[in-house]
Amino acid sequence: GNSVTQMEGPVTLSEEAFLTINCTYTATGYPSLFWYVQYPGEGLQLLLKATKADDKGSNKGFEATYRKETTSFHLEKGSVQVSDSAVYFCALSVGSYQLTFGKGTKLSVIP
Amino acid sequence: NAGVTQTPKFQVLKTGQSMTLQCAQDMNHEYMSWYRQDPGMGLRLIHYSVGAGITDQGEVPNGYNVSRSTTEDFPLRLLSAAPSQTSVYFCASSYSQAVPSGNTIYFGEGSWLTVV
Repeated sequence: GNSVTQMEGPVTLSEEAFLTINCTYTATGYPSLFWYVQYPGEGLQLLLKATKADDKGSNKGFEATYRKETTSFHLEKGSVQVSDSAVYFCALSVGSYQLTFGKGTKLSVIP
Repeated sequence: NAGVTQTPKFQVLKTGQSMTLQCAQDMNHEYMSWYRQDPGMGLRLIHYSVGAGITDQGEVPNGYNVSRSTTEDFPLRLLSAAPSQTSVYFCASSYSQAVPSGNTIYFGEGSWLTVV
């Protein structure tokens, strides 16, 4: 079956620190990969996606590269802000629109 | 610019009560689904629909019913609420599977349900 494993949280960083949230996956087939973000009290928003190997998704200063050889899709940002405090979910879909999610990583950024 | 609209946003139920979570989308999406979000569990698929009149079960369907009489609406029914159904529920929609995978899936803002 399909599964997504992402690093356990919570993660607390100071403003302007470098962020990495690890995500690895197993999939039957050739998945598309996503990062979703959930700000406090809100729904999920698509942050970025990649649909084939070596693709790099990017948005709002966040980046993630689809690494087929390591089955990974790690999320990175060079300089986090307080406004980036949220829960981040890695997810995949294989040939359909149904998503398999990781458990989420809560990020808190302190001034 | 409504997107995916869920109602209600908050609800408290007593054990054994029934209720319906409403979901509507105005993007003419064929695919709609319901997820539940629990602490430390991520989001898990409850039911989904590939078009009007067609529904199927996801990972955690027990205790929930769905129907899809129109393209726009996909209500989720709890027939006899249990405390284990306390969760945050998200409705989602997407375009047809016929286009390349990786279509953006749009989520509603969530419905916070507490069963006491």
